[in-house]
Amino acid sequence: AQKITQTQPGMFVQEKEAVTLDCTYDTSDQSYGLFWYKQPSSGEMIFLIYQGSYDEQNATEGRYSLNFQKARKSANLVISASQLGDSAMYFCAMREGMDSSYKLIFGSGTRLLVRP
Amino acid sequence: EAQVTQNPRYLITVTGKKLTVTCSQNMNHEYMSWYRQDPGLGLRQIYYSMNVEVTDKGDVPEGYKVSRKEKRNFPLILESPSPNQTSLYFCASSLSGSGIYEQYFGPGTRLTVT
Repeated sequence: AQKITQTQPGMFVQEKEAVTLDCTYDTSDQSYGLFWYKQPSSGEMIFLIYQGSYDEQNATEGRYSLNFQKARKSANLVISASQLGDSAMYFCAMREGMDSSYKLIFGSGTRLLVRP
Repeated sequence: EAQVTQNPRYLITVTGKKLTVTCSQNMNHEYMSWYRQDPGLGLRQIYYSMNVEVTDKGDVPEGYKVSRKEKRNFPLILESPSPNQTSLYFCASSLSGSGIYEQYFGPGTRLTVT
C-alpha cells in the first residue's frame, strides 16, 4: 500500500480564491511528521509547512495552512488567496518513526495551475 | 547564503561511463540525503547519511554509491550508469537525523544516460 497518496494529479484555481490539495497517509507509527513542498517549473524543492502527529493545532505559515485530520489520516494543504506564482507541483511527504532514520516518503504530487 | 549546491546541473552520458554528482552544504548539517524524481513517482530516497562516515540505503539504492568523508560533502556515484538511471536527482540536508527539521534541497541534477 502506498504510504502517501495524492489523488489529484492536476488542479485549477482562480486567482485570489482558496484551494485545497489532498493528501492521505498510511502509518502505524504513533509519532510521525507531515510536510508539504512546492516545486515550481524551475525545479527546486521549497519547504512550505510541517505538522507533527502530536500537534493539536493545525499548522499555518502565511497563506498556507494544513488541515490535519488524524483519525482520517489526512493532511490537506490549504492555500488561501491564490496567486499566479503558486502555479507549481506540490508534494506531500511523511517522516515515520522520529527516533529512526530521517527518511521522507513522498507522494506523487499535484500540479496546481492558477488562472488569472 | 545558506544553501545546498549540486554539480553538474545537467549531464548527458553514455551507458557504463562512471560519473559523480557532487553535493555540498554550508549549513553544518549532520544529515544529508539523495533522492531521484521520476514522473508520477514523486521523490524516492536513494541513500542517506546521518553523519560523517555513517551512510545507509534508502528505497532505491541499486546502482548507486555514496560516501561521507566530510560533513559538508555527500557525492553520489554511478559506477556503471544505465538508461533506467535517467532521472532528476536531488541532494538534501537537514540539521539532524533525529528530531523534526525540514530538509533543504539542492537545485537538482538532470541526468540522461543514453
